[in-house]
Amino acid sequence: DAKTTQPPSMDCAEGRAANLPCNHSTISGNEYVYWYRQIHSQGPQYIIHGLKNNETNEMASLIITEDRKSSTLILPHATLRDTAVYYCIVRVGTSYDKVIFGPGTSLSVIP
Amino acid sequence: DAGVIQSPRHEVTEMGQEVTLRCKPISGHDYLFWYRQTMMRGLELLIYFNNNVPIDDSGMPEDRFSAKMPNASFSTLKIQPSEPRDSAVYFCASSLLPETGELFFGEGSRLTVL
Repeated sequence: DAKTTQPPSMDCAEGRAANLPCNHSTISGNEYVYWYRQIHSQGPQYIIHGLKNNETNEMASLIITEDRKSSTLILPHATLRDTAVYYCIVRVGTSYDKVIFGPGTSLSVIP
Repeated sequence: DAGVIQSPRHEVTEMGQEVTLRCKPISGHDYLFWYRQTMMRGLELLIYFNNNVPIDDSGMPEDRFSAKMPNASFSTLKIQPSEPRDSAVYFCASSLLPETGELFFGEGSRLTVL
């Protein structure tokens, strides 16, 4: 079973920030949080990952709570092309054991 | 650089036929993964390889499924005999090192078994 819990769907207005939450209350100290997204009929695409500190790249920002039991993926200015299913995954950084994609969050960006 | 290349992109076959899906990982990547995606079950990890050696095949659903990686640039997923419930999109992904975390996925092979 997936180790994360995400809302099944969310809407976001185009141009606004999309904040996608993820609960991983059983995360272990050596497990990273990864985010992927899957645009319809394409293969999943890596977005970002982090361990403890907040992370930012050209696609998104990742905010991890201090207790690491939850995180938020932020798309600062959502566009229609960001409409996709977003997956939050936790795993040990040195192992691919049981890398499981849950159902994810289906994000719809509304014009 | 070319990404992960999968073939065929679409396959329609009849129940009982053998199906072979192919994957070429990104050059230099040490890890290769096979996933299956259906509406009912989402993305399921079937098997993964490290340096051409199968590491975990616990996700392979039945003995009808087999996967090989004869060299670092090629892997196959075979279903024999195929059944309608095998209809799904099969994704191959590769990765350089576990520490980087990033899996690079191919575009998938959509299999329909009639």
